[in-house]
Amino acid sequence: RKEVEQDPGPFNVPEGATVAFNCTYSNSASQSFFWYRQDCRKEPKLLMSVYSSGNEDGRFTAQLNRASQYISLLIRDSKLSDSATYLCVVVRDGTASKLTFGTGTRLQVTL
Amino acid sequence: DGGITQSPKYLFRKEGQNVTLSCEQNLNHDAMYWYRQDPGQGLRLIYYSQIVNDFQKGDIAEGYSVSREKKESFPLTVTSAQKNPTAFYLCASRDSPAYSGNTIYFGEGSWLTVV
Repeated sequence: RKEVEQDPGPFNVPEGATVAFNCTYSNSASQSFFWYRQDCRKEPKLLMSVYSSGNEDGRFTAQLNRASQYISLLIRDSKLSDSATYLCVVVRDGTASKLTFGTGTRLQVTL
Repeated sequence: DGGITQSPKYLFRKEGQNVTLSCEQNLNHDAMYWYRQDPGQGLRLIYYSQIVNDFQKGDIAEGYSVSREKKESFPLTVTSAQKNPTAFYLCASRDSPAYSGNTIYFGEGSWLTVV
């Protein structure tokens, strides 16, 4: 089983739709979680951190479920500019600090 | 402005040649990372370093080498032993890994093509 798994998509949604992505992780010792956005042929950029209590940034909401070991990203009122690949990142810190990326979920928002 | 600079952005390598990708950061970050991304794939960890003069192999270290002689620099050498080096290479850095909430910053990436 992969350490971090995401549905690769693509998710094709119309403008204005609400879309949700999940990301599951296998190591219960994981401590930090992030969502990154990657545009085609560009580097990933931080979208938001994921906190235990859940957090919201405008149209974006991130949730963490430690019991079931998954994080989620909800995008409301999708815009054309949201079209990108969304990567989840799981971090285990300590003496062997390691970041593990999911393979990404591709979102295509259409008119 | 603070950030991570990777160079070159595009590089062509002949088979059998070693090439070195540069990564420099002025964020005063302790940890630095090298990832490889193939088309339509996720990021795979090649090497990472938590402090100067120390580094660890990631998941796909074979055919690659790194050094960390200075805090701000983490060059990656793609050796001739790497059989399929054509890919997008990303360097990243992060403040002290002891603080789990610290986010990761990426350079703009280097495209390596074997000709």
